[in-house]
Amino acid sequence: KAGVTQTPRYLIKTRGQQVTLSCSPISGHRSVSWYQQTPGQGLQFLFEYFSETQRNKGNFPGRFSGRQFSNSRSEMNVSTLELGDSALYLCASSATGGLSEQFFGPGTRLTVL
Amino acid sequence: DQQVKQNSPSLSVQEGRISILNCDYTNSMFDYFLWYKKYPAEGPTFLISISSIKDKNEDGRFTVFLNKSAKHLSLHIVPSQPGDSAVYFCAAWGGRDDKIIFGKGTRLHILP
Repeated sequence: KAGVTQTPRYLIKTRGQQVTLSCSPISGHRSVSWYQQTPGQGLQFLFEYFSETQRNKGNFPGRFSGRQFSNSRSEMNVSTLELGDSALYLCASSATGGLSEQFFGPGTRLTVL
Repeated sequence: DQQVKQNSPSLSVQEGRISILNCDYTNSMFDYFLWYKKYPAEGPTFLISISSIKDKNEDGRFTVFLNKSAKHLSLHIVPSQPGDSAVYFCAAWGGRDDKIIFGKGTRLHILP
């Protein structure tokens, strides 16, 4: 069974630009969660999508948004990038969300200059 | 307001000895706890979990202990091996929101 894939793996943007990250969950999984990892804050929850609906949301500004498609693939968008958005963005898929086991992708490392 | 705290950013342990990673939480509504391990350039991988109805769960070299009254859990790795060098994240689920809250992680170095 293929694992969780994230594209691109690395991205360099400048302040004010916008970026879209993509996540393909494990086949059959309907829940996709997004996390931001920074050295100072650890892993912080951004949002979770389940069957194309946002089910949970963390404490991030509205510049961070996402969506999920009918095939469970998910995209995360960050608009008006700030230097502090530089981080590793991880996506995790699980069968049903909640307590079902999460499988993480390798992440997308975003650098904002 | 950090609900899950890992107060040691790093820990060094001799190979063959016991590694003990600690985690504290503040929300008494949490009822399921997980440990993840992360190598550089890879996503976290699930290691072991424990439900709040238990106080211990064991899986091979890994044991997680839960002390609900102290709102504290710990991960014991015995014996520690070089491949255990990684960042370990403690996470909790439950409470008002149906999402997993992670700690900031502890970097474990296993010394030869």
